[in-house]
Amino acid sequence: DVKVTQSSRYLVKRTGEKVFLECVQDMDHENMFWYRQDPGLGLRLIYFSYDVKMKEKGDIPEGYSVSREKKERFSLILESASTNQTSMYLCASSSGGTNEKLFFGSGTQLSVL
Amino acid sequence: QKEVEQNSGPLSVPEGAIASLNCTYSDRVSQSFFWYRQYSGKSPELIMSIYSNGDKEDGRFTAQLNKASQYVSLLIRDSQPSDSATYLCAVLSGGSYIPTFGRGTSLIVHP
Repeated sequence: DVKVTQSSRYLVKRTGEKVFLECVQDMDHENMFWYRQDPGLGLRLIYFSYDVKMKEKGDIPEGYSVSREKKERFSLILESASTNQTSMYLCASSSGGTNEKLFFGSGTQLSVL
Repeated sequence: QKEVEQNSGPLSVPEGAIASLNCTYSDRVSQSFFWYRQYSGKSPELIMSIYSNGDKEDGRFTAQLNKASQYVSLLIRDSQPSDSATYLCAVLSGGSYIPTFGRGTSLIVHP
């Protein structure tokens, strides 16, 4: 089975801190995604990566950056955390085809105080 | 702007009944359609995918696709309390890697 592992289940950070959310997949997938999920707003795509060092902005990239130095790892970076970034963050991966399903990690609930 | 619409619910059905979840999409070139189930506090997991018009059955689940009318539905037969969750519809356009998700329908199956 594909495994997508997010480094933390819960995180509490202070406003202005730099925050790193890590995601690792073990199935050699080309595509990796970062979403945030808020009540009533559904899943919103922050960034997408289709290969090492390649990235595309999603619907809400402001305040975030990403890094993909190795195929299996996709990191989400909050340069200066703000309270409106309190959310559930979900990482996902899929193989290189265009009809492929997503496999999700277990999520990181981030609280910014 | 590609859109995927779902009724947010909650949809409440008694145990043993058929639950019917619906999804409409705006992009006519959409090719792949997925239903994900998300339990409260958990991440989404795929339960069904469908790529061609008609019905696809897997156990108690049936996905139905009608590309002419641009809708996809999920039927859950013999609903169980353990089916209580939010169901997310996702649509992939031809040549795209990035699915568009609906906001999900909350399903409650009461004993």
